[in-house]
Amino acid sequence: AQSVTQLGSHVSVSEGALVLLRCNYSSSVPPYLFWYVQYPNQGLQLLLKYTTGATLVKGINGFEAEFKKSETSFHLTKPSAHMSDAAEYFCAVSEGETSYDKVIFGPGTSLSVIP
Amino acid sequence: NAGVMQNPRHLVRRRGQEARLRCSPMKGHSHVYWYRQLPEEGLKFMVYLQKENIIDESGMPKERFSAEFPKEGPSILRIQQVVRGDSAAYFCAGGANTGELFFGEGSRLTVL
Repeated sequence: AQSVTQLGSHVSVSEGALVLLRCNYSSSVPPYLFWYVQYPNQGLQLLLKYTTGATLVKGINGFEAEFKKSETSFHLTKPSAHMSDAAEYFCAVSEGETSYDKVIFGPGTSLSVIP
Repeated sequence: NAGVMQNPRHLVRRRGQEARLRCSPMKGHSHVYWYRQLPEEGLKFMVYLQKENIIDESGMPKERFSAEFPKEGPSILRIQQVVRGDSAAYFCAGGANTGELFFGEGSRLTVL
């Protein structure tokens, strides 16, 4: 069965600094990988996804993530943090051979941005 | 995503009562997922349904919880005889064939 771990439940960065949120997964088949963001009292929205093809994936709001099969990782980065990036970030994995499949979420990382 | 409608947004129940949470996915999405989120925790998978069929309910508690997605109408998550531990935010998401999930804004259940 697939699973997701996110190292660091809370991450603080200064405004303008690099954002790095870590995600490792386990999957018995080539995975679909996702990053979602959740703002307070809202649902989750997709930041970016990896299905097949290019391993460096660009998403919304300047975020990107790189799929590294050898490391079973899908870390999320952004070169320069903005105050509006403060939110909860969830990494997720699906073993969707049919594109519809159970999606498993990691425990989340809360990002704080310090002015 | 504003396209996925969940109601009620907030629900208060006393112990022993029933809670019914509804979810209408976006048009064209025939698959629905339910997740539970406890304070300071991530999302826990509960159940995955398509119209008139439960595909995976491995995350559902064995008792008191049930879910359906009828041919017509919204998907419903039903919790019978609620207990305080059921207090949480319950999120519904619709599935697209890209694997992406489109989430509603959640239903927050408080059990007194």
